[in-house]
Amino acid sequence: GENVEQHPSTLSVQEGDSAVIKCTYSDSASNYFPWYKQELGKRPQLIIDIRSNVGEKKDQRIAVTLNKTAKHFSLHITETQPEDSAVYFCAASSNQAGTALIFGKGTTLSVSS
Amino acid sequence: DSGVTQTPKHLITATGQRVTLRCSPRSGDLSVYWYQQSLDQGLQFLIQYYNGEERAKGNILERFSAQQFPDLHSELNLSSLELGDSALYFCASSVVGRGDSTDTQYFGPGTRLTVL
Repeated sequence: GENVEQHPSTLSVQEGDSAVIKCTYSDSASNYFPWYKQELGKRPQLIIDIRSNVGEKKDQRIAVTLNKTAKHFSLHITETQPEDSAVYFCAASSNQAGTALIFGKGTTLSVSS
Repeated sequence: DSGVTQTPKHLITATGQRVTLRCSPRSGDLSVYWYQQSLDQGLQFLIQYYNGEERAKGNILERFSAQQFPDLHSELNLSSLELGDSALYFCASSVVGRGDSTDTQYFGPGTRLTVL
C-alpha cells in the first residue's frame, strides 16, 4: 500500500522567512496530494491540494510542487507569519481502492516574531 | 466550520467497554471516512463508506466496526477498549469518493476518546 514520508518533523523560522516541507510517496498510482494544517486540538483543514496532471499550484503565500517521476511533492510558504504556526500534514490518495488519504507524520512549524 | 459534525466531543471510559462515535457528513456528501489520530501514529485511515456501502478499509482493528445509514450519517463502534485506543477520532466527508478523481475531504471537529 501507499506510504508517505514527510520531512522535517519540526521547522522553526523567523517571521518573514520562507518555509519548505517535503514529502515522498511510494505508490506511483497516487494522483491526489492535499496539504492540511492542524492547530492544537482542532480539525485538519485543507490549505492547498494538487493533482497528478499539474506540476505546481499557488494560492497567495502558499505553493505546492509535484514531481511525479521522483514521487515527491513539497509545500512552500513565503513571508511566514506567527499565525502560520501549526502542524502541517501532507497526504496522498491513489483512488485504487477507495479514496482514503494516507498521511505523512506531520511537520510542526513554529514562526517566531 | 466544515459542515461535518461529530458527537460526542469527548468520551471517557474504562478498559473493556464499548463506545459509539457518530458523524454527520456535509449536506450532499456521499462518502464518509474515519481516521484515528494518536501521538505516536499520526493520522491513520480506518475505513471509508460510500452511499451506505463499505468502500475501503485501512488499519482498522477487528474490535472496531462502522456503518453508514440511509440518511448517510455514520457510526464507528469501538469495543473491548484498551488503553492504546485513546486517541482523537476524526470523521471526514467528500462529495463522491470514487471514480477517476479524488475529491476534497472535509474533516469534522473530532471525538477525543480517553480510555482509563
